[in-house]
Amino acid sequence: LAKTTQPISMDSYEGQEVNITCSHNNIATNDYITWYQQFPSQGPRFIIQGYKTKVTNEVASLFIPADRKSSTLSLPRVSLSDTAVYYCLVGWGPYNFNKFYFGSGTKLNVKP
Amino acid sequence: EPEVTQTPSHQVTQMGQEVILRCVPISNHLYFYWYRQILGQKVEFLVSFYNNEISEKSEIFDDQFSVERPDGSNFTLKIRSTKLEDSAMYFCASSESGTSGRLSDTQYFGPGTRLTVL
Repeated sequence: LAKTTQPISMDSYEGQEVNITCSHNNIATNDYITWYQQFPSQGPRFIIQGYKTKVTNEVASLFIPADRKSSTLSLPRVSLSDTAVYYCLVGWGPYNFNKFYFGSGTKLNVKP
Repeated sequence: EPEVTQTPSHQVTQMGQEVILRCVPISNHLYFYWYRQILGQKVEFLVSFYNNEISEKSEIFDDQFSVERPDGSNFTLKIRSTKLEDSAMYFCASSESGTSGRLSDTQYFGPGTRLTVL
């Protein structure tokens, strides 16, 4: 079971870049790393997924070092609307159905 | 953009009553899931469903819970005899495939049903 550890909360200001790091020391060879965003009273929303090195999309970047024991979600120039809880999840490997276990997530608070 | 939909958005029921929460997954997805989130707590996996049968379930998913895909589009969660502690947001999710944590297996979540048990 690839358990994940994230900071409980982070504060930032509008316009800043925010980096949220997740530890997953026992990630399996076939596991991918996926990040979700959740606003209050809404379902989690997929942000980005990666396996190694760097992945970028229109919303965020994901940095994964060679040992894959951690990953960093980077949100460029955050705005107030990025205030949410961010979850890092790791897949369960090639033979199990993909039941996601959500940790406590990181509550990002963006201030004006 | 296709999305998962859920009805109702809010359900209020009396303790001991049966409730059915409904979900319409994304149309080409084959794997379906239910999660719940008690207010202020983390999202908890309940069950996954594929090919008309349960694939995985958590310890939360006891005999009072059941899931069904009654037709080609709906996916339902039934709670037979609700308890106060069943009050939570219930999220349905679907994915294209489910064999490992790859992009095609990414789960897309619905907006949730808030269940309040009185």
